[in-house]
Amino acid sequence: AQTVTQSQPEMSVQEAETVTLSCTYDTSESNYYLFWYKQPPSRQMILVIRQEAYKQQNATENRFSVNFQKAAKSFSLKISDSQLGDTAMYFCARADGSQGNLIFGKGTKLSVKP
Amino acid sequence: DGGITQSPKYLFRKEGQNVTLSCEQNLNHDAMYWYRQDPGQGLRLIYYSQIVNDFQKGDIAEGYSVSREKKESFPLTVTSAQKNPTAFYLCASRSGPWNTEAFFGQGTRLTVV
Repeated sequence: AQTVTQSQPEMSVQEAETVTLSCTYDTSESNYYLFWYKQPPSRQMILVIRQEAYKQQNATENRFSVNFQKAAKSFSLKISDSQLGDTAMYFCARADGSQGNLIFGKGTKLSVKP
Repeated sequence: DGGITQSPKYLFRKEGQNVTLSCEQNLNHDAMYWYRQDPGQGLRLIYYSQIVNDFQKGDIAEGYSVSREKKESFPLTVTSAQKNPTAFYLCASRSGPWNTEAFFGQGTRLTVV
């Protein structure tokens, strides 16, 4: 199976600090899409940010940005100025256009401490 | 309001019984997905469908079945062949296979009693 790997099961960060969550993936596709989703305690999945593999520019959404390294198949999420509301599970996901599937990693549990 | 609805929120099943989880969307999305979430396992893909009357197995399809008779609906049946069905199940939909955002339902918690 072509996988998505998140090597950090849990992380913590102080409020207002910066934290980076890691994600690596495996694919034989030439074009694909990458996502970070957030799952707060309510368990409702929320899209944080997305990246198209053919775009070299890293995606940014307010305090959230990615470091996309295509050759290394790496897609990390940086959260700046962490807030208490950022406490959640974060899932990295890959979508392969030709197959239509959407594969998730095991998640990283992030705790933001006051 | 457009969205994706899963029902019921909580479901209890006796061993040996089949049970069906409902997933309905009014977003006019072509693609729909079922995931199983267990602690420490992330979201594992059970089945997905890109178009009506067509669906593909995901990584953990054994013991599950689906149908896609209508664009709006993608029910999941957990059969008695599923050895460990107690889990949180999430349904999602997307407008297409590319960079479109997946929208998720609020999940169904299935417990075998």
